[in-house]
Amino acid sequence: GQNIDQPTEMTATEGAIVQINCTYQTSGFNGLFWYQQHAGEAPTFLSYNVLDGLEEKGRFSSFLSRSKGYSYLLLKELQMKDSASYLCAALDSNYQLIWGAGTKLIIKP
Amino acid sequence: NAGVTQTPKFRVLKTGQSMTLLCAQDMNHEYMYWYRQDPGMGLRLIHYSVGEGTTAKGEVPDGYNVSRLKKQNFLLGLESAAPSQTSVYFCASSYSEGAGQPQHFGDGTRLSIL
Repeated sequence: GQNIDQPTEMTATEGAIVQINCTYQTSGFNGLFWYQQHAGEAPTFLSYNVLDGLEEKGRFSSFLSRSKGYSYLLLKELQMKDSASYLCAALDSNYQLIWGAGTKLIIKP
Repeated sequence: NAGVTQTPKFRVLKTGQSMTLLCAQDMNHEYMYWYRQDPGMGLRLIHYSVGEGTTAKGEVPDGYNVSRLKKQNFLLGLESAAPSQTSVYFCASSYSEGAGQPQHFGDGTRLSIL
């Protein structure tokens, strides 16, 4: 079956760095997305990886290892507004998105 | 710059009632999707459309119907609402299904079935 695993909840301190991990098992693979979802709001696109390696976008970076079925989202210089859920989603061979349940990130002052 | 607009934002129904959720996008996207989001679970695809006049079943289609009569609109119908359909419903659209094309989401419809 197809499956995405990511931690349910993480806590970090304002100004620190946090890494949110995601492992995936899909029928074929056409890339991995990260979305941010604030409570009560819509998911918004953060990043997309299809090749191995690190993609950097400002304070956010996303890493992919296709051979390990593994990705992480790295958030630097954490701000209170980064408190949100982070959704990992893999695109399978039929170009269907398989979604993880999301990681709720709590930022403490 | 509206993006994806969903109506209504909230609704309470009684078991057995029917209703239609409306989704409109102004980005000229070909692909549109309906998801439901439940606590502790990932987004689950109900139905999707790859263009005007087309619809296809997703992971959890039972109890729902959809129509895409116009490119910009995607309607989700609940034929006979059941408490198990209490959820947050999100509509999304994308330019294509191609790799790297992100989906853009509406603000969601919070639906309670009593």
